Amino acid sequence: SQTIHQWPATLVQPVGSPLSLECTVEGTSNPNLYWYRQAAGRGLQLLFYSVGIGQISSEVPQNLSASRPQDRQFILSSKKLLLSDSGFYLCASIGQNYGYTFGSGTRLTVV
Amino acid sequence: AQKVTQAQTEISVVEKEDVTLDCVYETRDTTYYLFWYKQPPSGELVFLIRRNSFDEQNEISGRYSWNFQKSTSSFNFTITASQVVDSAVYFCALSEGNTGANSKLTFGKGITLSVRP
Repeated sequence: SQTIHQWPATLVQPVGSPLSLECTVEGTSNPNLYWYRQAAGRGLQLLFYSVGIGQISSEVPQNLSASRPQDRQFILSSKKLLLSDSGFYLCASIGQNYGYTFGSGTRLTVV
Repeated sequence: AQKVTQAQTEISVVEKEDVTLDCVYETRDTTYYLFWYKQPPSGELVFLIRRNSFDEQNEISGRYSWNFQKSTSSFNFTITASQVVDSAVYFCALSEGNTGANSKLTFGKGITLSVRP
């Protein structure tokens, strides 16, 4: 079965600072990878997805970017955080058996 | 475009009551998957069920049951004899097509269920 490692669990960052959230996957190869964001009191919104190394698709225009430097590594970044970037960020993976697995999430507060 | 509607935002019940969480979806695809996830206060998403569009059989797992009706585009979730530990946010989600770029999930806004002792 797949396991997703996501860190850090919580993060408080000042406005204008950079961001790097990392997600790694175990137990599968060549997974589809996803970054979702959950704003306070709202549902989950897909931000980025990747079907392979170096392949990134963005779902919504925003202040964030994503990269996939290795098959099972997915990184969410920002050069300058905004207050509106606060939220709960979840990494997800679909492996070969179409199992959809989520990481434990990162709660980001921009102050 | 695909869409998931969870019209109920908050539900409060007393322990041992039965509760049904509604989910209505929209999609143009004939092949799609429906999901329910539970999000406890800790935040992680706990997978509950996945159902494909060709399988309309209802499913029961312990106190949980799901009613899939393509005629009304609904995939409702019932908790029988609710318990305090069932308190969480519940999300219904939809995925179109096979594994690949179309497998991204579209989520409803979630239903906050509170079960009081």
